[in-house]
Amino acid sequence: AQSVSQHNHHVILSEAASLELGCNYSYGGTVNLFWYVQYPGQHLQLLLKYFSGDPLVKGIKGFEAEFIKSKFSFNLRKPSVQWSDTAEYFCAVEVDGANNLFFGTGTRLTVIP
Amino acid sequence: DTGVSQDPRHKITKRGQNVTFRCDPISEHNRLYWYRQTLGQGPEFLTYFQNEAQLEKSRLLSDRFSAERPKGSFSTLEIQRTEQGDSAMYLCASSLPGPQHFGDGTRLSIL
Repeated sequence: AQSVSQHNHHVILSEAASLELGCNYSYGGTVNLFWYVQYPGQHLQLLLKYFSGDPLVKGIKGFEAEFIKSKFSFNLRKPSVQWSDTAEYFCAVEVDGANNLFFGTGTRLTVIP
Repeated sequence: DTGVSQDPRHKITKRGQNVTFRCDPISEHNRLYWYRQTLGQGPEFLTYFQNEAQLEKSRLLSDRFSAERPKGSFSTLEIQRTEQGDSAMYLCASSLPGPQHFGDGTRLSIL
């Protein structure tokens, strides 16, 4: 069965620190990859997506993610976090031919001013 | 783009009662999805509609659960004879072919 792993459950950073959140998935076929963000009290919002092409994708608010096929990974990065990045971050995978997303358990990011 | 709308935002009910949730997708989105999210977990897929046709159902969707999308626009999710384990956030999402857009969810609390 497909699964998505986010190993960091809670990350606490000071403002201006660099961020990297891990995401690994288990599926050998073609995948579409997503990072969603959920700010406190708000709905899930798309941060960035990878369908094909350049494995380094850029999203909103300075976030980027790199798809490494050989490692089944799609890690999220940001060079310098802000207090407003405090949120929960979910990695999601859409496997080829499926009509649903498989989500990881999420990583809660707390940025300290 | 008015976003995906879900109603109610919060539902409190007694065990054994029936509940119904509504989802209004983004207009022109022909795909609609229901997910369930419990504390500390990511959303889990329940069911998928393309227009009015329910094309996929997860094994999480027991016989007590039923979803409809009668005219290919809004959708309803009904839970009959609710149980404690049904307490969760129920999320609706819609899409064209492409990324899914999520609503705020309906939080179900079972007393």
